[in-house]
Amino acid sequence: GAVVSQHPSRVICKSGTSVKIECRSLDFQATTMFWYRQFPKQSLMLMATSNEGSKATYEQGVEKDKFLINHASLTLSTLTVTSAHPEDSSFYICSARGGGRSNSPLHFGNGTRLTVT
Amino acid sequence: DAKTTQPPSMDCAEGRAANLPCNHSTISGNEYVYWYRQIHSQGPQYIIHGLKNNETNEMASLIITEDRKSSTLILPHATLRDTAVYYCIVRVEGGNQFYFGTGTSLTVIP
Repeated sequence: GAVVSQHPSRVICKSGTSVKIECRSLDFQATTMFWYRQFPKQSLMLMATSNEGSKATYEQGVEKDKFLINHASLTLSTLTVTSAHPEDSSFYICSARGGGRSNSPLHFGNGTRLTVT
Repeated sequence: DAKTTQPPSMDCAEGRAANLPCNHSTISGNEYVYWYRQIHSQGPQYIIHGLKNNETNEMASLIITEDRKSSTLILPHATLRDTAVYYCIVRVEGGNQFYFGTGTSLTVIP
């Protein structure tokens, strides 16, 4: 089945620094990937849609200058949290749709736990 | 925005069937119903999806009512490893975004 790999699984950084998270589709090509954020005891919240070769589309309320998304190839999307602050500490999860059908399900990475100190 | 409502929590005895309901009363004709589950600190795992016919795979069965306003995910023989948060999502065919609701926290009891 479709596999999405996310790296790193955990990262701790100091306030004011930037952190990059990678999302790879291992056995399929993904023209579109999705980034979610999840706070403790809450559901997943869609942050942005990453489009290969073009600009990402951000959900309302998500700062595009703070959460930089790059989707330079059909198998890799990156999310960079710039000038991270403690309130950015969260669980970040990426996903991509495997399979060629329009109703194919999304497959998710195992998430990145970001802690900003 | 999520277009589904689910009970916040449910318990199920180990070995028994777990029936998880989902209401999607505003679903449109071309919107699919997807089910995922999330075990603590992991990414969501795809379970099953359907449009209007009932579906079954190695993990679960999906029963969609005739009017498509609700559905039920059935785990036929729940095990302790099925303890997770289960999410029901509707998505337009060909549409991209999946919006998660609050899900149902299923606890399988020994």
